[in-house]
Amino acid sequence: DQQVKQNSPSLSVQEGRISILNCDYTNSMFDYFLWYKKYPAEGPTFLISISSIKDKNEDGRFTVFLNKSAKHLSLHIVPSQPGDSAVYFCAASVGASGSRLTFGEGTQLTVNP
Amino acid sequence: DTGVSQDPRHKITKRGQNVTFRCDPISEHNRLYWYRQTLGQGPEFLTYFQNEAQLEKSRLLSDRFSAERPKGSFSTLEIQRTEQGDSAMYLCASSLDTSNYGYTFGSGTRLTVV
Repeated sequence: DQQVKQNSPSLSVQEGRISILNCDYTNSMFDYFLWYKKYPAEGPTFLISISSIKDKNEDGRFTVFLNKSAKHLSLHIVPSQPGDSAVYFCAASVGASGSRLTFGEGTQLTVNP
Repeated sequence: DTGVSQDPRHKITKRGQNVTFRCDPISEHNRLYWYRQTLGQGPEFLTYFQNEAQLEKSRLLSDRFSAERPKGSFSTLEIQRTEQGDSAMYLCASSLDTSNYGYTFGSGTRLTVV
């Protein structure tokens, strides 16, 4: 039962353009969502989060959008840089305070110079 | 304190052997988590500790798996009678229970069962 799904295993964009990574979830109890970035041979690193009381959260080049009615969230990276090339994981939890996370399968983003 | 440390980074073992991994969390973090990640998948929750108490275990954690966190500091994850299906990356993470910014993960221990 995959409660968090990232349907695109890979995405390739040109440097300077926008990267849009998508994530869908099925569990209505999820109320806190996070994006992690993972480089090879490293653990995932926290990127940005959003609570279900919001529909948008911005941090520099990164913006996360949440559409609760569609149970869909997306991560926008503008402008994309070659150093952004990594695997991006969407994760969800019930509650925001250090709860157990349910992850999607990940999307490999490649930003070409 | 440079983050969450895991040891060893890689472990190759023969089927049927026991293995133990260690995780040292960020010192002020009272929660510690174990996750498992297989190829092409995201991390899957195994268990977590609040200080020394193990508060939740996933059904993925069969009776061959045991985790401890004595004195609420470092943690160990032991797998007994390893099977080839146990081959995966085992990730440890820690957090404060009031954190709204996600966990800090270690670099993981890559287990290969041959």
